[in-house]
Amino acid sequence: DGGITQSPKYLFRKEGQNVTLSCEQNLNHDAMYWYRQDPGQGLRLIYYSQIVNDFQKGDIAEGYSVSREKKESFPLTVTSAQKNPTAFYLCASRQPGTTNEKLFFGSGTQLSVL
Amino acid sequence: AQSVTQPDIHITVSEGASLELRCNYSYGATPYLFWYVQSPGQGLQLLLKYFSGDTLVQGIKGFEAEFKRSQSSFNLRKPSVHWSDAAEYFCAVGPGGGATNKLIFGTGTLLAVQP
Repeated sequence: DGGITQSPKYLFRKEGQNVTLSCEQNLNHDAMYWYRQDPGQGLRLIYYSQIVNDFQKGDIAEGYSVSREKKESFPLTVTSAQKNPTAFYLCASRQPGTTNEKLFFGSGTQLSVL
Repeated sequence: AQSVTQPDIHITVSEGASLELRCNYSYGATPYLFWYVQSPGQGLQLLLKYFSGDTLVQGIKGFEAEFKRSQSSFNLRKPSVHWSDAAEYFCAVGPGGGATNKLIFGTGTLLAVQP
């Protein structure tokens, strides 16, 4: 079945450590997105990529980095510069076409600080 | 400023009762509107969307929503709630045209279903 796979499900970060969240899709979608979800808040866009080897900052990119070397993969690194990283992170991809907009989401990674 | 408001943080309904979740938006252009559902510890799933045309849209799992331009609302409804509908529901608004990076999500409404 096609879909988006995020790993790990749970991740713990120590002070000063960088951690990388994995996102893989086999939907053949060009566009991929990373969102951060905090309790009682809506989803906030961290980074997005419309095509391989290209990505753009979203609304809250500070303290995060991404790469898009392959169409299927869009990993997110939470750097030590992100002082409040505890959150639920969601990766998504968008169905092609501009008139049938739909996001497909992975099942998320819960990141906590030790 | 562009925004989405879901006034109800938490709603509890009895199984079999009707449901209406409210969504109000502030948007400068003609909005593309969405409702997503999230089960605990999972990603979001699209329930339905409105781009144009008939203002009453049908979605999956028996949900429907009505776009009311005069009230800047896009409320989600279901005639008879099932226990499996317990989840968090998010309304979102955007410009469409593939500009998903400009999608604005509401803060969500958590639905509990009593037996």
